[in-house]
Amino acid sequence: GAVVSQHPSRVICKSGTSVKIECRSLDFQATTMFWYRQFPKQSLMLMATSNEGSKATYEQGVEKDKFLINHASLTLSTLTVTSAHPEDSSFYICSVITKGLAYNEQFFGPGTRLTVL
Amino acid sequence: AQSVSQHNHHVILSEAASLELGCNYSYGGTVNLFWYVQYPGQHLQLLLKYFSGDPLVKGIKGFEAEFIKSKFSFNLRKPSVQWSDTAEYFCAVNSKGDYKLSFGAGTTVTVRA
Repeated sequence: GAVVSQHPSRVICKSGTSVKIECRSLDFQATTMFWYRQFPKQSLMLMATSNEGSKATYEQGVEKDKFLINHASLTLSTLTVTSAHPEDSSFYICSVITKGLAYNEQFFGPGTRLTVL
Repeated sequence: AQSVSQHNHHVILSEAASLELGCNYSYGGTVNLFWYVQYPGQHLQLLLKYFSGDPLVKGIKGFEAEFIKSKFSFNLRKPSVQWSDTAEYFCAVNSKGDYKLSFGAGTTVTVRA
């Protein structure tokens, strides 16, 4: 399967600061990337869908000005949590779909644990 | 939009016991179905998937799942679990032509040696 990395794996920040999380597809071109958040003992909730070269599509209830997504290339998408607050503390996971390989299967990154103090 | 329900929140088993995890979805159209596993400290991995054809699908590590369309179910099974099967298991669904996945709440499986 495809290899997806995320950086950083863990970040602790003060309330009010912004945090950028990177998602990279290491061995293929990702046409679409997805961003999820996962609260402890809960399922993954889709936040947004990111297509290379176009604006991200956000799910209902997700603030696009709060969670900025940039998908500048076929191998990199970034999620920036702006003016983070303690309630933004969560596990953020990206996944990718790749052209021509394993149709309709998403490959997941290892996740980023964000803790806002 | 689909909703996915997993019946068991936490399952505790002994090694060699059989495992069955329930998954039901609500959507009237054609769907793709997935089971993912998340081992402690690791990322989500695909166990198996159903797109079409034989409703009994076999995945990695001895897992299988059966799609029963009339019951909107896609239950996961393993005849004999191992301690290494301790993990979180997620059922997920998307509709044909839509990549977006809807996940169930997950089931924590603890296998005691």
